[in-house]
Parts: sequence; structure tokens; C-alpha cells
Amino acid sequence: GQQVMQIPQYQHVQEGEDFTTYCNSSTTLSNIQWYKQRPGGHPVFLIQLVKSGEVKKQKRLTFQFGEAKKNSSLHITATQTTDVGTYFCAGIFGGTSYGKLTFGQGTILTVHP
Amino acid sequence: NAGVTQTPKFQVLKTGQSMTLQCAQDMNHEYMSWYRQDPGMGLRLIHYSVGAGITDQGEVPNGYNVSRSTTEDFPLRLLSAAPSQTSVYFCASTTGSEQYFGPGTRLTVT
Repeated sequence: GQQVMQIPQYQHVQEGEDFTTYCNSSTTLSNIQWYKQRPGGHPVFLIQLVKSGEVKKQKRLTFQFGEAKKNSSLHITATQTTDVGTYFCAGIFGGTSYGKLTFGQGTILTVHP
Repeated sequence: NAGVTQTPKFQVLKTGQSMTLQCAQDMNHEYMSWYRQDPGMGLRLIHYSVGAGITDQGEVPNGYNVSRSTTEDFPLRLLSAAPSQTSVYFCASTTGSEQYFGPGTRLTVT
């Protein structure tokens, strides 16, 4: 079946260090979304990438979508304790409904002050 | 707007019992979905709907039923609960980009 693989599963950083999580799909994605889930909370939408090679920035967060639309990354510069949580990528494959997201396994980020 | 609401927040069932998890949204979104979240496995799609009267299966539909009689409501029914259905269940809605998630229902089946 269509899957989205996400690595690493866990990342521990010192406050101020950078953090990156990666997603890969074996087949071309129509678009990819990124979500953040705080401990005990629900996923919250961060961004959607649609175009091949797209790069978007939100303050310290940089999102990239690969040229082949099969991979994506989220990079956080100079992490803060407020960045703690699980980051998920979620892809929509071509020809499928907007209601049908395929999530990666998530990366759990811990930031030590 | 309340957004996406889910009830109950917590539920404990015995094996074999049935129950319905409620989900409602007040944003007039066409698309609604149910996911389950288990440690290390991300969120897996159970069922989804592209509009009132239209539903389809996701990745892990066995043991669950859904219906969508109105745009606002999308209940998830567990027919005969099993310990493997112990999980956190999230309902979500969207118009086609950002998915709005409810607060979740934590279900334990003993």
C-alpha cells in the first residue's frame, strides 16, 4: 500500500540546537502537510506544500518538498523548549480524496533547557 | 465556532461491548475523517467521508462502522470491542487543505 516513512522516531536536542525530520514516500505525492502535536493534545496543522521543489518558512521553521514530490523535510533552527512535541508529515497521493491523509510515524522532539 | 468536537473524552469498555464515538463540526466542511493513534504508528485512517451520504474505508476499517447523514456529524461505531481497539481516536474535518482535529477520545478495552 501507499506509505509515508518518517525519520528519526526520536530526537533529543539541547535548547539552541537545530532539528530536522524527514519524510519519504515510494510513490509521488499530490501534496504534503505537516502537523505538530503537543503531549496530550491533538495534531495542529502547520503548513501544506504542493509544488515540486517548494520551500516555505515560518519564523524558525523551514519546510521543503522534493523535486520529485516523494520526500519532504522540516527543519527547526535554534530550538526552544516550546518546540517540544511530535511532528508528523501527512501526504495525499494523486487521485485520492482530501479526507484521506497518510501520516508518517512522527518524530518525537525533546528539547533540554 | 466550536470547531471539531468529540465525545466522550474517555471511555472504558469490556470486550464485546459496542459503542458510538461522536464527532461534530460547525465549519460546514465537506470532508471528515476518523483516525486512531497508537504509540510509534502515527495516525492511521479508519474511515472517511467526502460529503453527506458518502463514506469510504481507510487503512484500518475492520471492526468499525460509520455513517454521514448530515454535513455536521460523523459518528464512529465499534461493533464488538476488542482489546486491539484500545487507542486514542481523533476525528478531523477539512475543506481540502488544513485538517482540523478534535480533542480526541481515549478508549480502553479490557
